[in-house]
Amino acid sequence: SQQGEEDPQALSIQEGENATMNCSYKTSINNLQWYRQNSGRGLVHLILIRSNEREKHSGRLRVTLDTSKKSSSLLITASRAADTASYFCAPPISSGSARQLTFGSGTQLTVLP
Amino acid sequence: DTGVSQNPRHKITKRGQNVTFRCDPISEHNRLYWYRQTLGQGPEFLTYFQNEAQLEKSRLLSDRFSAERPKGSFSTLEIQRTEQGDSAMYLCASSFLGAYEQYFGPGTRLTVT
Repeated sequence: SQQGEEDPQALSIQEGENATMNCSYKTSINNLQWYRQNSGRGLVHLILIRSNEREKHSGRLRVTLDTSKKSSSLLITASRAADTASYFCAPPISSGSARQLTFGSGTQLTVLP
Repeated sequence: DTGVSQNPRHKITKRGQNVTFRCDPISEHNRLYWYRQTLGQGPEFLTYFQNEAQLEKSRLLSDRFSAERPKGSFSTLEIQRTEQGDSAMYLCASSFLGAYEQYFGPGTRLTVT
């Protein structure tokens, strides 16, 4: 069954603006990952946040995790055309099966030049 | 290139035929994963190996699907008696033992006619 679900399904912004994507999941987890997929580079790991972390930064990416609400968000600051891609959150199916990642339908981000 | 490689990249087959795909993981990675992705959806977990042992299988993996990793290096995924519903992108990923981040290959696109 689907564990993670991203929102919105599609997002279109101008270059330089910030983009925020949200993820909700159903069961307790010990970590959550975000991935990006575009036609040029396939599916690429972006960032991992553990259940004892509330926020994590990596370059222009900022991820938050709220385990009480079972939700996460991904913020991309100062977006570029090259950020155009589908973004997926990937919680494990359960804390006891941390290797079995579940992906939602993703957020399709379009960054307009 | 030291990333995950998959062969073939594209496969067209007729319904009822058997197909086999190969995945070569990053050489230092002990874990290897197979996913299936259909258009507009995120990847769905199929199975994963730690070295040569197949540790988890999804309920999605019907009896027609079998995966092997005989020497703990490359892996093969075989689909017997293919059906049109098997048309999808088949993705392979690998990871270090003890790490959660997965590194994905470019995928094999299967079309069943």
